[in-house]
Amino acid sequence: GAVVSQHPSRVICKSGTSVKIECRSLDFQATTMFWYRQFPKQSLMLMATSNEGSKATYEQGVEKDKFLINHASLTLSTLTVTSAHPEDSSFYICSAVSLLEGFTDTQYFGPGTRLTVL
Amino acid sequence: DAKTTQPPSMDCAEGRAANLPCNHSTISGNEYVYWYRQIHSQGPQYIIHGLKNNETNEMASLIITEDRKSSTLILPHATLRDTAVYYCIVRDRFGRNTPLVFGKGTRLSVIA
Repeated sequence: GAVVSQHPSRVICKSGTSVKIECRSLDFQATTMFWYRQFPKQSLMLMATSNEGSKATYEQGVEKDKFLINHASLTLSTLTVTSAHPEDSSFYICSAVSLLEGFTDTQYFGPGTRLTVL
Repeated sequence: DAKTTQPPSMDCAEGRAANLPCNHSTISGNEYVYWYRQIHSQGPQYIIHGLKNNETNEMASLIITEDRKSSTLILPHATLRDTAVYYCIVRDRFGRNTPLVFGKGTRLSVIA
């Protein structure tokens, strides 16, 4: 149990295009999902908190108009990198916590999406 | 900011126990200690967590000192596949919707 998937696992795009990354909780429902990014040889940095049915909360320094987050259901959150540039190239990782009270509140992470912007 | 301190790197011989230390001297009574690991180019993997008692599961053991200011993750028989960055994280037990804050972790290299 407690599996989180991401799609795609790897994407290469041209500068100026937009890229959508999906994060799904496969066997549990999550009102809250988190988006992180990780640059080479660095640790994970929180980008935003995604709440089902409401607006995402962004960390300081993360542009909400550039990184669009949609949490349309209890099992799906999407991150869209708009007008991507080479500096957006990174490893994007999502995580989710189960909705169920009494269920472990451990965060489970997806496998990550490697974005390369040419 | 991460509230834990870990050595940047450690080596361990294959088959031996790997003992990874973590200092969390400012931990509060409501905070759990969580351990995750990240194998290269993968998402973090949950290992174990605890509040004040020692914990064991199929992956590892967690030893928390009585004053809760430090802990040790033990991988009893390290294999090459245990080579990863290990993160020790403290998190409010009532903050189920609070994100994990990652420090730099310990890079464990298991050597044949």
